[in-house]
Amino acid sequence: SQTIHQWPATLVQPVGSPLSLECTVEGTSNPNLYWYRQAAGRGLQLLFYSVGIGQISSEVPQNLSASRPQDRQFILSSKKLLLSDSGFYLCAWTSWISGNTIYFGEGSWLTVV
Amino acid sequence: AQSVTQPDIHITVSEGASLELRCNYSYGATPYLFWYVQSPGQGLQLLLKYFSGDTLVQGIKGFEAEFKRSQSSFNLRKPSVHWSDAAEYFCAVGAGIQAGTALIFGKGTTLSVSS
Repeated sequence: SQTIHQWPATLVQPVGSPLSLECTVEGTSNPNLYWYRQAAGRGLQLLFYSVGIGQISSEVPQNLSASRPQDRQFILSSKKLLLSDSGFYLCAWTSWISGNTIYFGEGSWLTVV
Repeated sequence: AQSVTQPDIHITVSEGASLELRCNYSYGATPYLFWYVQSPGQGLQLLLKYFSGDTLVQGIKGFEAEFKRSQSSFNLRKPSVHWSDAAEYFCAVGAGIQAGTALIFGKGTTLSVSS
């Protein structure tokens, strides 16, 4: 079976500090990977998606970046966090084995103080 | 432009009553349609999906949804709501993995269940 792991689950970081959220998928190969953000009172905003190693598409210009160093690993980063980066970050995956269905991780709560 | 609209931000229903959550989409290609549910502080769980075939699809937890192409709608229904159904519900549309694109989500509908 396929699983998705996302960590850390919660994070409190000061303004101007760096960020690294990591996501890995097990049980499938060559997945499409996604980072979404869910701010308080809003829906889900697609931040980045990747169809392969080193291939990153950015949907919204912002203070964040993403990288895919390995087939099943997706990292969300920032060099200097802003207060507005606070939110709930969700990693997700889909692949041939999931039949066009996107599955989500449990999310990471980021509070920038 | 591709979009998903969930007209109701917040709905309150009595326990045992029926439920319908609305979803309208605008999508250029044949859509893949999804409903997800999110409990507070949790990730999104897939309730059901429509790709093709029978336009009435059954999902988990007693939910069903009907695809109506003429109305560009994919409304979620449940005949009898339970208190544990209180959560946020998201409708989403996509083009499938081959397109290499992501799902587009509606802004969600928060469901409260009163006793």
